[in-house]
Amino acid sequence: GQQLNQSPQSMFIQEGEDVSMNCTSSSIFNTWLWYKQDPGEGPVLLIALYKAGELTSNGRLTAQFGITRKDSFLNISASIPSDVGIYFCAGVHTGTASKLTFGTGTRLQVTL
Amino acid sequence: GAGVSQSPRYKVAKRGQDVALRCDPISGHVSLFWYQQALGQGPEFLTYFQNEAQLDKSGLPSDRFFAERPEGSVSTLKIQRTQQEDSAVYLCASSPREGTHYGYTFGSGTRLTVV
Repeated sequence: GQQLNQSPQSMFIQEGEDVSMNCTSSSIFNTWLWYKQDPGEGPVLLIALYKAGELTSNGRLTAQFGITRKDSFLNISASIPSDVGIYFCAGVHTGTASKLTFGTGTRLQVTL
Repeated sequence: GAGVSQSPRYKVAKRGQDVALRCDPISGHVSLFWYQQALGQGPEFLTYFQNEAQLDKSGLPSDRFFAERPEGSVSTLKIQRTQQEDSAVYLCASSPREGTHYGYTFGSGTRLTVV
């Protein structure tokens, strides 16, 4: 099945650094979502975006819905050890609101 | 319950064996979803229920996969004649609303290993 392209695939950063990751698609989505998944757990929703160009924050997290509606970006400021995990983007097509199309994931590791 | 509960957490099946995976959604949640997550990949949609009606099964990879939710609450994903490529984590999610991603809550998944 289709999976959205996320980059980078993995990243090692030091505590306190800012992190940026992005997600691209060949097709348009009307909603973009960002999830975090810890080992052995299901994904947990971080941020939801509903409008092209929208910029939304949730604490140290900021995400943007790309103008073309084919991409989205997630930034994490001042990373802390508990930010470790896998971050997934997910898109929702108009008319298929029940179905999420997930990205390939970005694995984040934070060193002290 | 407080969250989406899936059982068993781990399942090892011999190739050719049938398996049944259970999902207990959050009480009162109308929508229920199944996803398959292969190692190192993002989850992929399998099927969607609104109450007891299976409204979308477009993601089921073959006719060996079957899902049901007979009373609009607990759901079972059944895989017949398991193959090695079926090895994955199977995630269940539920939502209080009809047909949307709002309030999606995922369970911790069942890790299926076919040997």
